Order: sequence, then C-alpha cells, then structure tokens
Amino acid sequence: DAGVIQSPRHEVTEMGQEVTLRCKPISGHNSLFWYRQTMMRGLELLIYFNNNVPIDDSGMPEDRFSAKMPNASFSTLKIQPSEPRDSAVYFCASSQDRRGLVMAYEQYFGPGTRLTVT
Amino acid sequence: QKEVEQNSGPLSVPEGAIASLNCTYSDRGSQSFFWYRQYSGKSPELIMSIYSNGDKEDGRFTAQLNKASQYVSLLIRDSQPSDSATYLCAVNDRGSTLGRLYFGRGTQLTVWP
Repeated sequence: DAGVIQSPRHEVTEMGQEVTLRCKPISGHNSLFWYRQTMMRGLELLIYFNNNVPIDDSGMPEDRFSAKMPNASFSTLKIQPSEPRDSAVYFCASSQDRRGLVMAYEQYFGPGTRLTVT
Repeated sequence: QKEVEQNSGPLSVPEGAIASLNCTYSDRGSQSFFWYRQYSGKSPELIMSIYSNGDKEDGRFTAQLNKASQYVSLLIRDSQPSDSATYLCAVNDRGSTLGRLYFGRGTQLTVWP
C-alpha cells in the first residue's frame, strides 16, 4: 500500500518567492496533519483537517502560511512570501479517526519536504 | 497546551544492552500513546502503540504505560546499532476526537558496537 506522498522532497528558493508543498494522504484516511520540524523547536503542528475541513490552524505561524484540502486525496501548504526562517522540514501525516473508540489516532508520516529559503 | 516531556538525551548504550526511554504527559485524560522512531534525515515512523495500563511487547520492544503516574516508557532489549535514532513519544489530545497528537522533543539514542 502506498503511504503518505509528499512533493517536492527538496525545495530551495529565494526569499520572497512563493512555495507550495503538496501532500497525498493514505487512501481511506480522513484526518490530515501538517507539521514543521526544526532543531530549535522540534516537531510543531501547523494545521490539521478532518474530512477536508480545517479543524485547527492555531499553529500556523503567520498569515504568510495557508493550507487547503480541496478533496480527500490532496492537500497543499503554501508560504507566500517565503523567508529564511521558514527553512525547515515540513511533514504531512494522515490518520483515520475512529470516533468513540479508544484505540485510534495512529498517524503515518510522509517523507517530508526539506525547504531551504536563501 | 498539553505537555509531553521526554528524558533528556542523548542516551548511549552498548550493543546488546537494554535501552530505556521515558515520557511523561500532563493530560490525565489521554488514552492513546505512541512511540515513533526517526532516523536522521528521515520521517517519524510509528513503532509502538499502547492504550491500556501495563506492558505491550513487540519483538525487542516493550512499551509500558502507567496512567496513574502519567508515564509511558519504551524498552529496547538487545539493542543494536540499527536502533540508533531519535525516539518521539506522542499522546492523544483528550479534547479532540479527530486524532490530534502531542509530541515530545525526542530522545536521541546511540547504540555503539
């Protein structure tokens, strides 16, 4: 089975440019999470969706960041304009929520996108 | 903000030894607990899930959960150099039924030959 797919795997861009990261969750999963990981701050949750609806975007650092999930198999995270401090590894993860069940919430991560903003 | 704390590393053990990784969490109502392994330059990989008090064994890995003490641990028996990685503890958000997890900062483990 295909896992979570992310593209691109590496992105190098100049400050001020727009960056779009893409994610395809595991088929059948209905929750999708965007994380950012840096040495300084560890793994941070940026935003998550359930059934394509944004649930909590309180982790999005600034208005420069936006995310969409137009359908169950695709999500984007956009940074416009990008800044050097946005350099990090961005992960997408998906899970299948099982409301009412204790055994739930296993998240599976994609390979990540390493973003470098110069 | 829910807190998930892991023992500070790095942790270094010889090959064949038992590695013990610890995690405490602040939300007493959490019900789902996970251990992820992350190799350098790779993404987190789920290796253990535990939901009930006690021990859960999977090969060389044992997860231990004590909800009264708000404590979860991971034991790695017969440690191998290939176990060298950062281990992340994750706990579900009781206030969310939609799968949000809180992650610790991770403990870096090195197993030397």
